[in-house]
Amino acid sequence: RKEVEQDPGPFNVPEGATVAFNCTYSNSASQSFFWYRQDCRKEPKLLMSVYSSGNEDGRFTAQLNRASQYISLLIRDSKLSDSATYLCVVNKRTSNTGFQKLVFGTGTRLLVSP
Amino acid sequence: NAGVTQTPKFRVLKTGQSMTLLCAQDMNHEYMYWYRQDPGMGLRLIHYSVGEGTTAKGEVPDGYNVSRLKKQNFLLGLESAAPSQTSVYFCASRSGRNFTYEQYFGPGTRLTVT
Repeated sequence: RKEVEQDPGPFNVPEGATVAFNCTYSNSASQSFFWYRQDCRKEPKLLMSVYSSGNEDGRFTAQLNRASQYISLLIRDSKLSDSATYLCVVNKRTSNTGFQKLVFGTGTRLLVSP
Repeated sequence: NAGVTQTPKFRVLKTGQSMTLLCAQDMNHEYMYWYRQDPGMGLRLIHYSVGEGTTAKGEVPDGYNVSRLKKQNFLLGLESAAPSQTSVYFCASRSGRNFTYEQYFGPGTRLTVT
C-alpha cells in the first residue's frame, strides 16, 4: 500500500464547476499535511497547508479527517488556470534519525475546459 | 531572490558517463533535498542534508552521491549513469525552523540516459 494515495484522474470539468480531490495516508503519526500544485513540466509549489479545523483560501478549501486518515481539497468556481496536477503531501518522521520528511502522492490531474 | 536554481535544465548522457547536478538556494535554508520524479511514482527522496557538511540517504540513494560543502549549494552526482536514472530531478530547500515543513523547489533537471 502506498503511504499517500490519490486518484490520478484526470478530472475533466467545465469552467465554473466545483471539484473535489481526496487523499488517504497510512501513517497515523503524521502531523503536517499539504496540497502542492504542479503545472506541466514545472516544479511543485505549495498551494496550501491543511489544518485540523479545516482551512480556506479564496476558492480553495482543505479538510483533514485524522480518524479516517483522509485529506480533501475542494475547488469552487474552477478557472482555466486551475488546470494542473494536485499533489497530496504528508510529513513523516524517519525512525532512525527522527528527521521529518515529506511523502508525496502521485497527484491528481485536473483539466478545466471552457 | 532567485529562490532555488538548478543547473543544467536538460542533459542527455550515455550509459556509464558521469555528471553532477548543481542546486543553489539564496534563502539561507538549512535543509536541502534531491528528489526524482517518474511517471506514476510521485516524488521520491534520493538524498538530503540538514546543514553544511552533512548528508544522509533518502529512499532511493543507490547510484547517486551528494555533497554540501557550502550551505547554499547541494550537488548530486551520478558516477556511472544507467538508463534507469532517466528522470526529472528536483532540488528543494526549507528553513530549519521547527514546524516549518514547506519546501521550495527548483525548476528541475530533465535527464535522459541512453
